[in-house]
Amino acid sequence: DIQMTQSPSSLSASVGDRVTITCRASQSISNFLNWYQQKPGKAPKVLIYAASSLQSGVPSRFSGGGSGTDFTLTISSLQPEDFATYYCQQSYGNPLTFGGGTKVEIK
Amino acid sequence: QVQLQESGSGLVKPSKTLSLTCAVSGASISSGDYSWSWIRQPPGKGLEWIGYIYHSGRTYYNPSLKSRVTILEDRSKNQLSLNVTSVTAADTAVYYCARIARSPTAHYYMDVWGEGTTVTVSS
Repeated sequence: DIQMTQSPSSLSASVGDRVTITCRASQSISNFLNWYQQKPGKAPKVLIYAASSLQSGVPSRFSGGGSGTDFTLTISSLQPEDFATYYCQQSYGNPLTFGGGTKVEIK
Repeated sequence: QVQLQESGSGLVKPSKTLSLTCAVSGASISSGDYSWSWIRQPPGKGLEWIGYIYHSGRTYYNPSLKSRVTILEDRSKNQLSLNVTSVTAADTAVYYCARIARSPTAHYYMDVWGEGTTVTVSS
């Protein structure tokens, strides 16, 4: 199985901050990497697919980058509605696997 | 607008079978454009992929659950089902169904999710 490791596991930030979350794969996955946002009690929502493609309807302050084993999700200016948990997920091979999540909290 | 709605047994006794249904509206599960997946999330923990079913009916399961899991489709009702046998407390989770979309560059991602249903395994 391909292991996905996210860092940090949690972070505190203020509205307007630039935030970057990192995801590392245990082997090269090219750009087969997706990012999801999950708010408490809600289902996950896809933000980014194919490492850097913004899903329709997602604000442009979200961006993704990376390839191979190292990936990033960046929020350019954190908004109140962005406080949530973020997960990366690889779609390179089965079984599909998720990172452990990064909880973004209000500072 | 595509919507997915999970339903099923909320409380299951240990060693019994967990059975859930995912009703799909706004899209046909028979369409070759999408596959359909189940994912679960234990309380306070991360996401675990369970398996998926292609439009062809072919399935793939997470090896960690493979011997206990069955995903089926009912095209007449446009719904999916999930069965997990011999459950234990470790199967307690919120269970989600999701549609898997394919991008023009052949990247797959879960673009529509149900709201999830909570299953508790307890005697």
